Amino acid sequence: QQQVKQSPQSLIVQKGGISIINCAYENTAFDYFPWYQQFPGKGPALLIAIRPDVSEKKEGRFTISFNKSAKQFSLHIMDSQPGDSATYFCAASYNNNDMRFGAGTRLTVKP
Amino acid sequence: DAGITQSPRHKVTETGTPVTLRCHQTENHRYMYWYRQDPGHGLRLIHYSYGVKDTDKGEVSDGYSVSRSKTEDFLLTLESATSSQTSVYFCAASFQGATEAFFGQGTRLTVV
Repeated sequence: QQQVKQSPQSLIVQKGGISIINCAYENTAFDYFPWYQQFPGKGPALLIAIRPDVSEKKEGRFTISFNKSAKQFSLHIMDSQPGDSATYFCAASYNNNDMRFGAGTRLTVKP
Repeated sequence: DAGITQSPRHKVTETGTPVTLRCHQTENHRYMYWYRQDPGHGLRLIHYSYGVKDTDKGEVSDGYSVSRSKTEDFLLTLESATSSQTSVYFCAASFQGATEAFFGQGTRLTVV
């Protein structure tokens, strides 16, 4: 079964709007939660990551919110731009080796 | 691509034939990973390596084997390719586990 569940599968947002992607995990041993961005024909690239000792991390227009008790974390993209159109993956890792990914969210930002 | 090169980039092979995909990295990453990407499943870990000759299974390892004889090279072998192994395969590498992983460009494999 998928250890990291991601929603929605696809998301359409107007330029300037807020994009929100959610992930939930089951294994409380996970201790590293990254988000990856993937453009067509390319490999995923790290966007932002958080560890469970903080509840929020912000880098530019991208923010991760983390709720340890609910075992959920989310990516917020403020002022979404057409260049943000890509597939986004959440992931979770533990034991310093095994990283599990969500199924991905295809984001489209309309001009 | 952070110094990670996959070869070949595209391959079509017949059912039952062995196939080897190569991942080469130039940044001296300790950890290397092979994932497959399929619609609706995201990226699923096949095998990973935490050092030369040190490998372990991921969540979808059946039908695959790996070898790492040098720090810079991580090979993925499909011992007898099946149509269910048609996928896009990504290699990744990281300096430590549970830290940023750098991905290659992917290999699109079609088994006919």
